[in-house]
Amino acid sequence: KQEVTQIPAALSVPEGENLVLNCSFTDSAIYNLQWFRQDPGKGLTSLLLIQSSQREQTSGRLNASLDKSSGRSTLYIAASQPGDSATYLCALGNYGQNFVFGPGTRLSVLP
Amino acid sequence: EAGVAQSPRYKIIEKRQSVAFWCNPISGHATLYWYQQILGQGPKLLIQFQNNGVVDDSQLPKDRFSAERLKGVDSTLKIQPAKLEDSAVYLCASSPDRDYSYEQYFGPGTRLTVT
Repeated sequence: KQEVTQIPAALSVPEGENLVLNCSFTDSAIYNLQWFRQDPGKGLTSLLLIQSSQREQTSGRLNASLDKSSGRSTLYIAASQPGDSATYLCALGNYGQNFVFGPGTRLSVLP
Repeated sequence: EAGVAQSPRYKIIEKRQSVAFWCNPISGHATLYWYQQILGQGPKLLIQFQNNGVVDDSQLPKDRFSAERLKGVDSTLKIQPAKLEDSAVYLCASSPDRDYSYEQYFGPGTRLTVT
């Protein structure tokens, strides 16, 4: 059974810092990994999707990497802004088990 | 293109009452998902539809939860009778199948409070 962890659970950084959020998983039999952001009281917004055959995806200031052999994905945010404050979740599409989400990392970017 | 629509946005009921949620996916998306998100946790998949058929309902508490997808488009999720532990946000998502990426697009969710 796929288990997903995200470390740290919460992170507070000053504006302008580069930061890395981590997602670890136990079963490498995945077909994709998706990073989402969730603002308080809102639904999930897709940030990046990485297919199992890919190693990274980039969108603007965001870069996500995937290393199936080590069971890890990272989300890199460059030059953080207060508007980046949200909860970031990773979700894995698994063969035979469907989608499993991590618990999320709550990010606060201080002006 | 219009996003995933859900209604109602908020619902407060007493335990043992019944409640229903509605979801309209993005036009043309064959796959539809219902998730339950308890405060402070990641979403948990309840049921996945591919067109009219159920692909995965292994985590759906079938003694009280039911779901259907009408003509492969809209979907309803029902709880009857509700328990206190059902208080959560219920999220609907959809995916296009055209490229087998299964990228998910989420609606705003329905926040359920059971008192």
